[in-house]
Amino acid sequence: EIVLTQSPGTLSVSPGERVTLSCRASQSINSNLAWYQHKPGQSPRLLIHGASTRATGIPARFSGSGSGTEFTLTISSLESEDFAVYYCQQNLNWPLFGGGTKVESK
Amino acid sequence: DVQLVESGGGLVQPGGSLRLSCAASGFAFNQHWIHWVRQVPGKGLEWVSRIDSDASSAVYADSVKGRFTISRDNAKNTAYLQMNNLRVEDMALYYCGREECSGINCFIDHWGQGTRVTVSS
Repeated sequence: EIVLTQSPGTLSVSPGERVTLSCRASQSINSNLAWYQHKPGQSPRLLIHGASTRATGIPARFSGSGSGTEFTLTISSLESEDFAVYYCQQNLNWPLFGGGTKVESK
Repeated sequence: DVQLVESGGGLVQPGGSLRLSCAASGFAFNQHWIHWVRQVPGKGLEWVSRIDSDASSAVYADSVKGRFTISRDNAKNTAYLQMNNLRVEDMALYYCGREECSGINCFIDHWGQGTRVTVSS
């Protein structure tokens, strides 16, 4: 079973900062990785698929990179609406989520 | 607009059963795989089950295998999750989601608002 490990668990940041989230797979998943944003009381929102393709309507400040086992989600300049939990997900065999990274206000 | 609306959640005793529904609209339901994903309070997202577009194949997380059954009725644009022998650890907010694929990369691009399942005596 492929395991996704996200780091850090929590990130305390201020608006305007650059944010980098990591997702590591226990074995190669090529580029079969998606990123989601999840806010309390809302449904998860697809941000990135195929490791680096922004979903429809997602602002350009969100970008994804990586392939194989190492992946990164970057928010170039954090806005207040971006405080949330971020999950990576692989769908190589069947879907599995990483444990999430909470981005909170410093 | 694509819409997914879950229903059927509620309070059930351990060992009991519930059937969740996921009503879809705004897209060709019979062309998309459907997933169920849950979130236990205070925990992360956990994938539960997936069914393909014509209901010929279903996959389950180990934590629910043998107790949950996913199904769909394409004539009614609705997917279901039959949950039997419920445990306290199944208590969660259950989301359904539509799978989309871009080449070989597949992902959940639309989600419902969730339905809450409470398991307690």
